Amino acid sequence: DTAVSQTPKYLVTQMGNDKSIKCEQNLGHDTMYWYKQDSKKFLKIMFSYNNKELIINETVPNRFSPKSPDKAHLNLHINSLELGDSAVYFCASSPTQLGAGNTIYFGEGSWLTVV
Amino acid sequence: GENVEQHPSTLSVQEGDSAVIKCTYSDSASNYFPWYKQELGKRPQLIIDIRSNVGEKKDQRIAVTLNKTAKHFSLHITETQPEDSAVYFCAASWGANNLFFGTGTRLTVIP
Repeated sequence: DTAVSQTPKYLVTQMGNDKSIKCEQNLGHDTMYWYKQDSKKFLKIMFSYNNKELIINETVPNRFSPKSPDKAHLNLHINSLELGDSAVYFCASSPTQLGAGNTIYFGEGSWLTVV
Repeated sequence: GENVEQHPSTLSVQEGDSAVIKCTYSDSASNYFPWYKQELGKRPQLIIDIRSNVGEKKDQRIAVTLNKTAKHFSLHITETQPEDSAVYFCAASWGANNLFFGTGTRLTVIP
């Protein structure tokens, strides 16, 4: 059983299109995240949600709109895709309080290529 | 958010030697410091973590040290093996709903 699952794994799309990435976790965690990993491998937090409420929005363009219908799901919708959006997007989840083994678990990643 | 710096960006060692990766953080409120290993094409996975009330933690060949006063922490890998080759990330958190990553270190262990 996959603890944090995200779909699709690969996505190739044209500039200007709108696309969504879905994420689900079955760990019973209260917090979910989206991270972006660019070609230089930097892992940048984009959003975190706790029990469906937005906690962190790290100056992400408003073309990116996360949606959390319940605490087990956090989807990412991207409007008007740009070349610079090409990256690997990782969904993750954790207990609210981090520490001593209570850490973040990542999904397998979604490889987005904008052409 | 928290600013985490990580050095070096690349590191090559001979098999059997030790590897050390260092990180600094900016926010004195940070109290949780995990290390992740990411193999090529895979997700980051936790290898060891430490809380701010502990100065050192060891798990077999891996150890982490924390200097809260200086706001830096380090990962030590002893007796390196080729399968240790990967990208390693340090991270820092205030303890809830956030985890900020360093810029990563690509470790290559030469057989």
